[in-house]
Amino acid sequence: DQQVKQNSPSLSVQEGRISILNCDYTNSMFDYFLWYKKYPAEGPTFLISISSIKDKNEDGRFTVFLNKSAKHLSLHIVPSQPGDSAVYFCAATSQGGSEKLVFGKGTKLTVNP
Amino acid sequence: DAGVTQSPTHLIKTRGQQVTLRCSPKSGHDTVSWYQQALGQGPQFIFQYYEEEERQRGNFPDRFSGHQFPNYSSELNVNALLLGDSALYLCASSFWAGSSYNEQFFGPGTRLTVL
Repeated sequence: DQQVKQNSPSLSVQEGRISILNCDYTNSMFDYFLWYKKYPAEGPTFLISISSIKDKNEDGRFTVFLNKSAKHLSLHIVPSQPGDSAVYFCAATSQGGSEKLVFGKGTKLTVNP
Repeated sequence: DAGVTQSPTHLIKTRGQQVTLRCSPKSGHDTVSWYQQALGQGPQFIFQYYEEEERQRGNFPDRFSGHQFPNYSSELNVNALLLGDSALYLCASSFWAGSSYNEQFFGPGTRLTVL
């Protein structure tokens, strides 16, 4: 059973426009959510996170929105840049201290110049 | 300050063999987690080590085992390799914070191919 789902395997946007990546989860015990970015031949790098006590978190061009009732989160990138082209993973965990991350399958974002 | 390092970068084995992968955590980190990323999938949690003990384990068979050394580095061992074990193996380190979440930093991974 897939507890974290990213239903779009790929997304293509034009440079300067907004990129919206979506993620759904099923486990109500998850209370902390993260987005990681991964380039080929590199490990995932942390991008932004959000706690379940918030519904929005911003960091520069990146904003994550959390809708707990819908068990849905999204990552907005504005404006999108060609260097943002990568695979984006949504991950979730319970802040019980175990730090085990449950990942989605990822969405490959391509930003065209 | 070196980040998380893993060795080797690539590895080719045949079915039935055994393999050992190594990980050195980021300086100051005491917790190491291992993940398996199969092609087209997200990373899947294998297990986590803290204070030289396995603290939590994912849904992986006993063929997967690990170890953490006093210097916090870690090894992942896989016995009786199967074709399905072919994957990118990622190591992540963090500082144990008890009840709150601390960011995990990932290494570049070891690409294991089983023929």
